[in-house]
Amino acid sequence: DTGVSQNPRHKITKRGQNVTFRCDPISEHNRLYWYRQTLGQGPEFLTYFQNEAQLEKSRLLSDRFSAERPKGSFSTLEIQRTEQGDSAMYLCAAIVVGGETQYFGPGTRLLVL
Amino acid sequence: QKEVEQNSGPLSVPEGAIASLNCTYSDRGSQSFFWYRQYSGKSPELIMFIYSNGDKEDGRFTAQLNKASQYVSLLIRDSQPSDSATYLCAVKRGSTLGRLYFGRGTQLTVWP
Repeated sequence: DTGVSQNPRHKITKRGQNVTFRCDPISEHNRLYWYRQTLGQGPEFLTYFQNEAQLEKSRLLSDRFSAERPKGSFSTLEIQRTEQGDSAMYLCAAIVVGGETQYFGPGTRLLVL
Repeated sequence: QKEVEQNSGPLSVPEGAIASLNCTYSDRGSQSFFWYRQYSGKSPELIMFIYSNGDKEDGRFTAQLNKASQYVSLLIRDSQPSDSATYLCAVKRGSTLGRLYFGRGTQLTVWP
């Protein structure tokens, strides 16, 4: 158990709908990352939080994507007006204070019909 | 050129053999190197990391790093069918805030 949980684990939605995913790290995780992984590819970085501050965003994070981490605890990733190309596994990873290694949650698998 | 390159495989070895997985990276400033294992439909699971040139051993796993050649490898000794998975190489560059750059992964099958 990495201490990182994600909900929901699976989401099926219709094109054009909005979806929101949640990541819950443990309190010792001050740094939190979102990645996206499509079939046959490695995870691709989306965004990074240190405590509640969003410090880096990938150009993959179009204006339809927004992420928050209020109070430096859980984080949400919202996708507006979903497209079929958004179908992927969305992964949350976290690092404990003073650590170097990222531990992943179980991921949320999104399918856009 | 991609940041991190891996042979996508598939790599197939018999049980008990040594599996050798390779990875090259493009940024000479890269500082930290990680190997993750990913079973089908699951999220990546950290196997080990390496920062310094040379070998690092952890049980049946040995990571090897050669910064001059920009090359990192993972050896799995006494391979077991349960090692069958995709192995992801990830690199942390010195100039970033900790984001990891992943290769596409190498699919390993260990047959009994």
